[in-house]
Amino acid sequence: DGGITQSPKYLFRKEGQNVTLSCEQNLNHDAMYWYRQDPGQGLRLIYYSQIVNDFQKGDIAEGYSVSREKKESFPLTVTSAQKNPTAFYLCASKELTVNNSPLHFGNGTRLTVT
Amino acid sequence: QKEVEQNSGPLSVPEGAIASLNCTYSDRGSQSFFWYRQYSGKSPELIMSIYSNGDKEDGRFTAQLNKASQYVSLLIRDSQPSDSATYLCAVNMGSSASKIIFGSGTRLSIRP
Repeated sequence: DGGITQSPKYLFRKEGQNVTLSCEQNLNHDAMYWYRQDPGQGLRLIYYSQIVNDFQKGDIAEGYSVSREKKESFPLTVTSAQKNPTAFYLCASKELTVNNSPLHFGNGTRLTVT
Repeated sequence: QKEVEQNSGPLSVPEGAIASLNCTYSDRGSQSFFWYRQYSGKSPELIMSIYSNGDKEDGRFTAQLNKASQYVSLLIRDSQPSDSATYLCAVNMGSSASKIIFGSGTRLSIRP
């Protein structure tokens, strides 16, 4: 089955450590996205990528980094510079060749930093 | 001004009634609009998409778009307890064909 896989589902880290969240898709979608969701809030865009080796900052990119070395993969690194990293992180992908195509989401990674 | 705005709710609607959810956006060049439903602790799931002015119906759901007023809404007819969730409005920004921004979501509660 085609889909988006995020791993792990739950992640615990100590403050000051960098942590990388995995996102893999086998939908052959061109664009991939990372969103952050805090309790009771909507989704805020961290980074997005339209093509391999290229990505753009979203509204809250500070303290995060990404790479897009393969079409299928878009890992997100939460660095120690991110002041409040505890949140629910959602990866999504979208087909760009089809006009007005929607986002498809993974199941999310819940990150807790103490 | 936020790029995409929604009332956070909670919106409480009796079972069987119509629930009306609203969303406004700031980028007049935006072309694509989406409604997602999100249950607590889960990822969002697509309910409706709309691109042209007017109404679009799918079962109990109707999306309405008014580009002149920069307003998009979602109506849920015959509301069921299973409709209790957070509803997220998403807009494909006109400034970038790939940039998709979400509102803060409206929490809907259907009371028996």
